[in-house]
Amino acid sequence: AQSVAQPEDQVNVAEGNPLTVKCTYSVSGNPYLFWYVQYPNRGLQFLLKYITGDNLVKGSYGFEAEFNKSQTTFHLKKPSALVSDSALYFCAVRASAGYSSASKIIFGSGTRLSIRP
Amino acid sequence: EPEVTQTPSHQVTQMGQEVILRCVPISNHLYFYWYRQILGQKVEFLVSFYNNEISEKSEIFDDQFSVERPDGSNFTLKIRSTKLEDSAMYFCASSDGTVNEQYFGPGTRLTVT
Repeated sequence: AQSVAQPEDQVNVAEGNPLTVKCTYSVSGNPYLFWYVQYPNRGLQFLLKYITGDNLVKGSYGFEAEFNKSQTTFHLKKPSALVSDSALYFCAVRASAGYSSASKIIFGSGTRLSIRP
Repeated sequence: EPEVTQTPSHQVTQMGQEVILRCVPISNHLYFYWYRQILGQKVEFLVSFYNNEISEKSEIFDDQFSVERPDGSNFTLKIRSTKLEDSAMYFCASSDGTVNEQYFGPGTRLTVT
């Protein structure tokens, strides 16, 4: 069964420093991986995805993620953190249910990112 | 930029009452979903919908739940007889392909008293 794990409940980083939010995945077949961000009292916003191709995926707001097949990781990164990046981040994987069907996304438990000025 | 919209933003209801949560997906999307998030917990899949029928549903989506696409734009989630444990944030999502990202609405906070 498909699953994702986010080993850190909270990540604290000083503004201007690089940040990493960790994610490990478990899938059968090709992985379709996503990162979403949730600001307080808001919905989930799509950041980026890995379907196929380059292992380094670039997304919104300067975020990027590195797909590592051998280590089954899909860590979210940003070279220089902003205070406004403080939010809840979810790693997610598409659960394979046939190409033509509406396939659900399975979310990790979330990591709260806190950027201090 | 097109977005998924949901109404109402907050619904308070008494246990045993029926509620209907409404969603307008992005107009050219064909795949529709409902998820929920109990306060402080992870986002959980409820149901997916394609071609006017349910594609998949979770254990949470029991006989008290139903979904409908009554016209070309709305996608609704009905809970027939609400329970206290149905209190959560309910998110609608849509996508234009099975492997593509899903776009989420702002959510409806359901409070069952």
